[in-house]
Amino acid sequence: EVKLVESGGGLVKPGESLRLSCAASGFTFSNAWMNWVRQVPGKGLEWVGRIKSKSDGGTADYAAPVKGRFIISRDDSRNTLYLQMYSLKNEDTGFYYCMTARFAPWGQGTLVTVSS
Amino acid sequence: DIQMTQSPSSLSASVGDRVTITCRASQTTTNNLNWYQQEAGKAPKLLIYGTSTLQRGVPSRFSGSGSGTDFTLTISSLQPEDFATYYCQQTYSIPYTFGQGTKVDIK
Repeated sequence: EVKLVESGGGLVKPGESLRLSCAASGFTFSNAWMNWVRQVPGKGLEWVGRIKSKSDGGTADYAAPVKGRFIISRDDSRNTLYLQMYSLKNEDTGFYYCMTARFAPWGQGTLVTVSS
Repeated sequence: DIQMTQSPSSLSASVGDRVTITCRASQTTTNNLNWYQQEAGKAPKLLIYGTSTLQRGVPSRFSGSGSGTDFTLTISSLQPEDFATYYCQQTYSIPYTFGQGTKVDIK
C-alpha cells in the first residue's frame, strides 16, 4: 500500500525558511517522479513542483510563484522527499501535500503558516 | 500555462440527482485530465485519471468524459457522501494546473 507522510510544517515569519519532508513507503520510491501540491485553507489547489527520478535525470520543475525560492530534493536511500522553502511569504501559507506522479494517494498534509 | 475553468462554481442538488460538472482548458490537454473529490476538512482524493479511468475503489456512479479542451465529471445518482468539492487538473504540461473547484451541497 502506497503511503506518504508529510512533516515539518509550522509557524514561521516572512522571510524565514522551512524544510518539509515526505516519508514514502509501499512502492519503489527511487523510480518515482514526485510532486508537491499546496492548498490555502478554504481555497483551491496549487501545484508547487515536481522532481523526476534520478534515472530520468533527477531534475525539478517549479510553479512560477515559488521558482527561485523553493527547492525539491530527494534521498532515495531514505525513501524521503523534501521541499526546502526559502524567503517565505504570507501567501505561502497552506497545507502542503506530496504525492506520486499518479497523484494518488494523498497524505494528510503538513500545515505551513507564514505570519509575523 | 494552461488555464482550467470549472463550471459551475457551486451547485445544490438532492440525493439521487444526476450531477454534471464541466472543466474547460485554455488549450488542449489531450486526455491528461484528473478529477478529485475533497470532503470538508480532508485531503483531496483522486477519483478519475486519464479523463475517464476510475481510480480503484471509486464507485461506478462517477464517470468522466471529454477530450482536447472540454471535459465532464458526472455523478449518475448523487449519494449523501458525495457532497464535497470537486477539482479538475491537467497533467499534460508543466505547471499542472487545477480548476478552481465546484462545491456540491445539499438542496
